[in-house]
Amino acid sequence: DAKTTQPPSMDCAEGRAANLPCNHSTISGNEYVYWYRQIHSQGPQYIIHGLKNNETNEMASLIITEDRKSSTLILPHATLRDTAVYYCIAPKTSYDKVIFGPGTSLSVIP
Amino acid sequence: DAGVIQSPRHEVTEMGQEVTLRCKPISGHDYLFWYRQTMMRGLELLIYFNNNVPIDDSGMPEDRFSAKMPNASFSTLKIQPSEPRDSAVYFCASTWDRPPGNTIYFGEGSWLTVV
Repeated sequence: DAKTTQPPSMDCAEGRAANLPCNHSTISGNEYVYWYRQIHSQGPQYIIHGLKNNETNEMASLIITEDRKSSTLILPHATLRDTAVYYCIAPKTSYDKVIFGPGTSLSVIP
Repeated sequence: DAGVIQSPRHEVTEMGQEVTLRCKPISGHDYLFWYRQTMMRGLELLIYFNNNVPIDDSGMPEDRFSAKMPNASFSTLKIQPSEPRDSAVYFCASTWDRPPGNTIYFGEGSWLTVV
């Protein structure tokens, strides 16, 4: 797995965009970047993933730099329910010994 | 689909007792993972299976822990004897072998307290 680095915590005002960064400078060409989040007392939940191109779904957008050494998860209009720990991972394959780091604890503030 | 189903959701047991946690993966998934989460150590991968065969158990903390997957729809994680330091949330997760880019689906966890 490529090592990923995330800030331990972030705050975001409700209704504003939350931009969560992730560094993965050792990522190899065929490793995807995945984002999961874990709301308190629940199991982690998949958000989005990407390889090279930017991706968007109903939950979030993922921006991957051209050199693929970093990415940003964007929650366009954060709500209080988005308060969670967000994990960025880059496993060799999505089904092979997937390791989660400490993630970023996002607090959405009213 | 009902998702990954874990039982029990909560268990309180006394030190020295045997604990068995159960997991039903999503139908059709051929990878199954067991994770443990604590405040101190975060989310740790204990073991994972592919097609019911254990592939990597290097995360299993010690011999008191054992995991089995007798068939594609059922797995157990057993702790015998249990100790207070085993208190944690244990998550089961599953996915399938369809590259590129798969997602892992987690259960809601089994909250274990050993007193």
